[in-house]
Amino acid sequence: DQQVKQNSPSLSVQEGRISILNCDYTNSMFDYFLWYKKYPAEGPTFLISISSIKDKNEDGRFTVFLNKSAKHLSLHIVPSQPGDSAVYFCAAKGNSGYALNFGKGTSLLVTP
Amino acid sequence: ETGVTQTPRHLVMGMTNKKSLKCEQHLGHNAMYWYKQSAKKPLELMFVYNFKEQTENNSVPSRFSPECPNSSHLFLHLHTLQPEDSALYLCASSHWGGGRGDTEAFFGQGTRLTVV
Repeated sequence: DQQVKQNSPSLSVQEGRISILNCDYTNSMFDYFLWYKKYPAEGPTFLISISSIKDKNEDGRFTVFLNKSAKHLSLHIVPSQPGDSAVYFCAAKGNSGYALNFGKGTSLLVTP
Repeated sequence: ETGVTQTPRHLVMGMTNKKSLKCEQHLGHNAMYWYKQSAKKPLELMFVYNFKEQTENNSVPSRFSPECPNSSHLFLHLHTLQPEDSALYLCASSHWGGGRGDTEAFFGQGTRLTVV
């Protein structure tokens, strides 16, 4: 059963606007959440993370928000740039394990 | 360059062949992973090694056989695969400290496997 869900397979945003990518999870034991970015023919690269003790983490143009009660997190990219076009994976893990559970990914296209 | 190197990048093999995928990490991590990415599916965890010991095997068929001779190297031995095993196979590593000092997973570029 899939424990991390990204229900939007794709998203298209204009350059300069905000991109919002969403992720839901079902396992209440998850306490660490990550976003990865993947270009074609490359492995995923780490983007930003958030611990369950926080509800927001910001790094430059990227901000991750965590709503524990709703078991929902989101990644905001502002302003969006064409180079941000990639597949974004949400991942989560609990403190009793170290392997990441991934969503299916959301393909972001930022148009000029 | 993420510090995790996978070879080969591409592999085409017949169903009766035996081949191996190799992964090497230069990050001093103590945990290594094999993931499988099929089209329109999430990354699926296959195997986990921590301090060279296999700690997880997510119901992977025996035609996939992992080997971890040391904490820097990880292999995935393949034999009698099926066409549906065609996918991108990703190796990753991380440092696991039981919650303290854990790092995010760093991925290699993957091996694109095609079984014919």
